[in-house]
Amino acid sequence: GENVEQHPSTLSVQEGDSAVIKCTYSDSASNYFPWYKQELGKRPQLIIDIRSNVGEKKDQRIAVTLNKTAKHFSLHITETQPEDSAVYFCAEVYGGSQGNLIFGKGTKLSVKP
Amino acid sequence: GAGVSQTPSNKVTEKGKYVELRCDPISGHTALYWYRQSLGQGPEFLIYFQGTGAADDSGLPNDRFFAVRPEGSVSTLKIQRTERGDSAVYLCASSLSSYGGADTQYFGPGTRLTVL
Repeated sequence: GENVEQHPSTLSVQEGDSAVIKCTYSDSASNYFPWYKQELGKRPQLIIDIRSNVGEKKDQRIAVTLNKTAKHFSLHITETQPEDSAVYFCAEVYGGSQGNLIFGKGTKLSVKP
Repeated sequence: GAGVSQTPSNKVTEKGKYVELRCDPISGHTALYWYRQSLGQGPEFLIYFQGTGAADDSGLPNDRFFAVRPEGSVSTLKIQRTERGDSAVYLCASSLSSYGGADTQYFGPGTRLTVL
């Protein structure tokens, strides 16, 4: 069935450093890949997404890259700040579904001042 | 405008009881999703509505779980004979439409269900 592997499960960086989180998926029909940020006790919030017809997308300090051949996509956060500390989830929409998201297990990012 | 809202924010019940969880999607969003999130895990898909009909209920764990969306807006997730393993945060999300490809899903704050 559909599966999303996310690594690492925890990531600690110094303020100002970059952070990279990677996800792999199993189904080549997958066509939409969002990233959500979830602070403790709060709702998941979309921070960036990418569709299968592009390889990279950037929004200020956040970027996502997609490698369809290798079936993996990555989140890149540059110039990290303490407020970036949260759990980040990658997800995919299986190409044959009508929109339900399949999530990775999450990465707990800690940015130390 | 108003985002997705869910009530109650917290629900504590006893094993074997019946519970209803409510979701109010963003106005005009035709697609509505229910997910369940256990501690330390990513949200897990339960059921998806397009309008009033359940387009995909393949994520419901068993027949104790049921959801409705009678007028194509508010949805209610119903759990019968609750078990301790049902304890989790139940998240609702809505999107403009699922036709022609995935739209951004906006999540509600969730209902934390605790079954004693």
